[in-house]
Amino acid sequence: NAGVTQTPKFRILKIGQSMTLQCAQDMNHNYMYWYRQDPGMGLKLIYYSVGAGITDKGEVPNGYNVSRSTTEDFPLRLELAAPSQTSVYFCASSYSAGGSGYTFGSGTRLTVV
Amino acid sequence: GQQVMQIPQYQHVQEGEDFTTYCNSSTTLSNIQWYKQRPGGHPVFLIQLVKSGEVKKQKRLTFQFGEAKKNSSLHITATQTTDVGTYFCAGPWNTDKLIFGTGTRLQVFP
Repeated sequence: NAGVTQTPKFRILKIGQSMTLQCAQDMNHNYMYWYRQDPGMGLKLIYYSVGAGITDKGEVPNGYNVSRSTTEDFPLRLELAAPSQTSVYFCASSYSAGGSGYTFGSGTRLTVV
Repeated sequence: GQQVMQIPQYQHVQEGEDFTTYCNSSTTLSNIQWYKQRPGGHPVFLIQLVKSGEVKKQKRLTFQFGEAKKNSSLHITATQTTDVGTYFCAGPWNTDKLIFGTGTRLQVFP
């Protein structure tokens, strides 16, 4: 099993550019999450989804958008990138909501210059 | 809002010494989870505790959930260099997502 796959692994964006971070899982998990982790810091929830077609905001949603058209995919869209969005982005999925362990992807390291 | 704090923020130990990190929630938790993140890596799920006062062991790691279900601890006996990383606790937030603690970064010197 591949688990949770994130692409790209690294990306440099210029201020004002846009991009989509891809996330796919093959475990048939309904629950998927996007976190960001700033250097030396903890994980902050950006957006999450409890199933295809259902998404909701987390702690730090400003500057991001998500969609969930299928169970497998949960892309994160950055519009008008800003230096404050320089971070490592982790996608995760789980079998149940808050009651089972999360499986994380390997992350996307994004730098906005 | 709900907060999950961990102490200490950093811990440097000599290989063979013990290590403990503490996790405290501002609210009662239905369960507590622990994750390990190696330097440059992604968080990896270690364990989940559900019952008040529950204690679970994984080899040299001992996890405990407080009686009031508002705190937890992770204790590593006789640390090894492979234990290096950041340890996060996490608890459910509004039933359908996890909020992660601030993390404890462990450095082990050989």
